[in-house]
Amino acid sequence: GAVVSQHPSRVICKSGTSVKIECRSLDFQATTMFWYRQFPKQSLMLMATSNEGSKATYEQGVEKDKFLINHASLTLSTLTVTSAHPEDSSFYICSALEGTDTQYFGPGTRLTVL
Amino acid sequence: GQNIDQPTEMTATEGAIVQINCTYQTSGFNGLFWYQQHAGEAPTFLSYNVLDGLEEKGRFSSFLSRSKGYSYLLLKELQMKDSASYLCAPMDSNYQLIWGAGTKLIIKP
Repeated sequence: GAVVSQHPSRVICKSGTSVKIECRSLDFQATTMFWYRQFPKQSLMLMATSNEGSKATYEQGVEKDKFLINHASLTLSTLTVTSAHPEDSSFYICSALEGTDTQYFGPGTRLTVL
Repeated sequence: GQNIDQPTEMTATEGAIVQINCTYQTSGFNGLFWYQQHAGEAPTFLSYNVLDGLEEKGRFSSFLSRSKGYSYLLLKELQMKDSASYLCAPMDSNYQLIWGAGTKLIIKP
């Protein structure tokens, strides 16, 4: 199946810094990508839907100014966690939509904010 | 390695019952999730099993056998809107969800 990569796989940063996570579809073009967050022992939670060339759609309760999403090309979406705090520590997963109904997920990025 | 096995596609009739099976192998185990995904949309959470047995939630039920590495999702009184992909996702020892390709369920009138 199609491959989606995420970088970095793990990141540790100090409180107050910003962290950028990249999501790439390696062998297909993705007009739509999704960003999820997963806390320990909890289900995956959708944060936002990223559409190439337009603004992302954020889920209720997700701060758009804190989680900046850019989807500048058909193979790359980035999520920037600005002014990160310990409560932002989580597992962030992206997925990319191939065609209209097949979504391929990235391996995830584990963020730890000290 | 870690592996999920589900049928690629299933077809069922409106009003009927369908069971979607899932077998898995993971490094450690911290429960298993089922997700529903409609075409062009993000997955939505359906159920979470961490203990053996059956969890019932409305028309949907999910079963887990940890010793067998086996789960199923049972859908009753099928409706056309149930046409979607169903993702079985066990959680490994690092609390990471292991994703398979899912089962595409087609409901016919």
